[in-house]
Amino acid sequence: GQNIDQPTEMTATEGAIVQINCTYQTSGFNGLFWYQQHAGEAPTFLSYNVLDGLEEKGRFSSFLSRSKGYSYLLLKELQMKDSASYLCAVRDTTDSWGKLQFGAGTQVVVTP
Amino acid sequence: DADVTQTPRNRITKTGKRIMLECSQTKGHDRMYWYRQDPGLGLRLIYYSFDVKDINKGEISDGYSVSRQAQAKFSLSLESAIPNQTALYFCATSLSGVQETQYFGPGTRLLVL
Repeated sequence: GQNIDQPTEMTATEGAIVQINCTYQTSGFNGLFWYQQHAGEAPTFLSYNVLDGLEEKGRFSSFLSRSKGYSYLLLKELQMKDSASYLCAVRDTTDSWGKLQFGAGTQVVVTP
Repeated sequence: DADVTQTPRNRITKTGKRIMLECSQTKGHDRMYWYRQDPGLGLRLIYYSFDVKDINKGEISDGYSVSRQAQAKFSLSLESAIPNQTALYFCATSLSGVQETQYFGPGTRLLVL
């Protein structure tokens, strides 16, 4: 989406930590989602933030700052299977019903 | 069994042909969506439906039409396929409410020659 920015690609080593940043601009923010998508497969839901702060789910954590229009997804103890594209999506209520605007995705490459 | 299924999974067609992509879900969700995904552009919304009698255009609906045959079924048609409709197509569902997480089908890879 044109109003959502995330890096195109990141590389990290197995066992390390990677932080994927997402910045957005919308006048009608109502939640931010992170999805994981392996090549050629469906996006799968990882996390949801609607209030400021950190949400932790096992090795994955997601942070939101609404005042800064900023979120990050933190992947800890990286495994080879974490190599995938990570999509940031913002619920935008500008058009009243709250469609999801997706970023282009960040390709994470985990190396041995 | 998958909660959201799409058929076919792969399709090759020629310019000008009419094709239909089908989506079924067993999640009991009321809302369904069709997206297309192109490299570097992210997911873009084609059409969405909040219930059987509700159909709405998304951001890129030109050249597409949809039908919501039942709460569980939502099909996408390309009336006259053109090469720039070559893409990966995803169906998604959500349950109306506060969070409304969208859950995606496995996708249909379409090639228009």
